[in-house]
Order: sequence, then structure tokens, then C-alpha cells
Amino acid sequence: AQTVTQSQPEMSVQEAETVTLSCTYDTSESDYYLFWYKQPPSRQMILVIRQEAYKQQNATENRFSVNFQKAAKSFSLKISDSQLGDAAMYFCAYDGGATNKLIFGTGTLLAVQP
Amino acid sequence: DAMVIQNPRYQVTQFGKPVTLSCSQTLNHNVMYWYQQKSSQAPKLLFHYYDKDFNNEADTPDNFQSRRPNTSFCFLDIRSPGLGDAAMYLCATSRGKGSYNEQFFGPGTRLTVL
Repeated sequence: AQTVTQSQPEMSVQEAETVTLSCTYDTSESDYYLFWYKQPPSRQMILVIRQEAYKQQNATENRFSVNFQKAAKSFSLKISDSQLGDAAMYFCAYDGGATNKLIFGTGTLLAVQP
Repeated sequence: DAMVIQNPRYQVTQFGKPVTLSCSQTLNHNVMYWYQQKSSQAPKLLFHYYDKDFNNEADTPDNFQSRRPNTSFCFLDIRSPGLGDAAMYLCATSRGKGSYNEQFFGPGTRLTVL
């Protein structure tokens, strides 16, 4: 069975600095998608960034980028120039096939210090 | 704005008293999902509908049922809530099956069982 592990329950970063959130996963599949979702307090979860496993190039979305290491089964999220609005719970998620079933990690709570 | 709406945002019920949570969407998406998210845990998929086709996760308790009367609405029925069913319940939608389809989440309903 596929699993997703986020080993950092909480992280803190200073405004304008860079922070990296870690995620590892386990799967025997070769084709899959990986996601980072952001869940602000009392607001809905939104997709931050998505990576297709067959693409070697790391995905980027403005200040958000990933470091995808397929062999190591690692998928970290880098947030550059952190802003107060980045404070949220961040979930790493895996989807291995046509079912579109997301398997989530336990999340990392990110605090941004002014 | 097109979105996923969940009502109510907070629901209190008594032990054993049936409760229904509601989700509606204006995205006209084919797939609707229900996730359970307990405190400090990862969201866990309970079931999903692909159009009218119902898909139950193997480990979803029999206590949980779902209805999708039309494209826009989906309901989660908990027949006899126990204390262990207290959680945030997230509804999500996607245009279709397949990992490339982004899931859009509602804000969740927080269920308290007394």
C-alpha cells in the first residue's frame, strides 16, 4: 500500500525567508502524481503545486517549487520569500492511478514570523 | 464564484442520533468525494461518486452512507454517530477521474458528537 510521510509536524520561518517542507512516500508504481495542498485556518484546502512522476523537471509555481527525487521517493516543497499569508497546514499527497484517490501525509503546520 | 459549498460549517449531534452533512458544487464536476479528517491526522477518503457511480473505500465503516441525487449535491449520512466519528468532514470535487484532475475542496464541516 502507498504511504506518505511528513516528518515535520511544525515549522517556522521568518517573513521573506525561504523554508523547505519535507515529504517522502512509498509506492511500487512507476507513474503517479504528487501534490502539495495548503489548508489555511478555517478555510478550504487549495492546491499549491503538482508534480507528474514521469516528468524529470521540478514543478514551480511562482514562489513555490518542489525538489522531486524519484529514486529516493522524496518530494519536498520550497517556499521562497515567505509571506504572512503562507501560514497554514501543508499536506503532501499522492495519487497513483486513474482512481484519483489522494493519499495524504499528516501535514506540516507552517508559522510565518513577521 | 464557482465553488464547493458545505453546510453546515459546524454540526453538533448526540451519540447515536443520525446526522446528515451537505455538499454542493457549482463547478459542474463529475466526481465528488468525502474525506474524514480527525484532529492532527491526514484526510482519509471515505467514498466518492463518479457521476452516479458510487465507490466505497474498503475500510469505510458501514455507519457512513452517501447520496448524490444530482450533479450538484452530495450528502454524507452518519446513521449512528459515535464519539470516534467526531472530525472535520471535507467534500471535494474533480472534473473527472485521473490523477491529472485537480480536486477542489470545500471548507469542511466540523462534527462534534456529545
